[in-house]
Amino acid sequence: AQSVAQPEDQVNVAEGNPLTVKCTYSVSGNPYLFWYVQYPNRGLQFLLKYITGDNLVKGSYGFEAEFNKSQTSFHLKKPSALVSDSALYFCAVRDIWNSGNTPLVFGKGTRLSVIA
Amino acid sequence: DVKVTQSSRYLVKRTGEKVFLECVQDMDHENMFWYRQDPGLGLRLIYFSYDVKMKEKGDIPEGYSVSREKKERFSLILESASTNQTSMYLCATIGGLSTDTQYFGPGTRLTVL
Repeated sequence: AQSVAQPEDQVNVAEGNPLTVKCTYSVSGNPYLFWYVQYPNRGLQFLLKYITGDNLVKGSYGFEAEFNKSQTSFHLKKPSALVSDSALYFCAVRDIWNSGNTPLVFGKGTRLSVIA
Repeated sequence: DVKVTQSSRYLVKRTGEKVFLECVQDMDHENMFWYRQDPGLGLRLIYFSYDVKMKEKGDIPEGYSVSREKKERFSLILESASTNQTSMYLCATIGGLSTDTQYFGPGTRLTVL
């Protein structure tokens, strides 16, 4: 069975500082990994994904994530946080051996608050 | 760009009412999903559909049903709404050239009184 853990319910960071939102996963095979962001009263927006290749993935709005197979992690990072980055962030996984049709499994979300 | 729309952003219903939540996508995607989102619980899958007239139960199907009569439309039905179904409901699709990324609608916040 697939699962995702986001160990922090809340992350607070000062504007201009680097931010990290943590994610670990569990799959039986190799993973497809995703990050989504949700602004208040909105649906989820796709940020970035890891399928294969370079372990460092770059996505929208200056975000990036690093796939670490040995630690089964896929932490989201940004070198310099903006107040507008404040939102709810979800990590998600699918086992590569499942077809692309199957639903993603999501973590419980991490609320990021960037303080001016 | 993929566009996924949901019929209502906010909905208030009374206990026992039958509720229809509609989701429409414009990209001819085969696969559509309904999730509910609750604080501290993340997203939980209710139902999904691989094709017209096909449906599969997700993790929490109790109290819900779905309908997929046309490829672009996937409806979630609450047969008899209850207060514990107060939640944010999110529709998503996968298909076409991007067969790994789910695209989400804006969500419907349902309140059952």
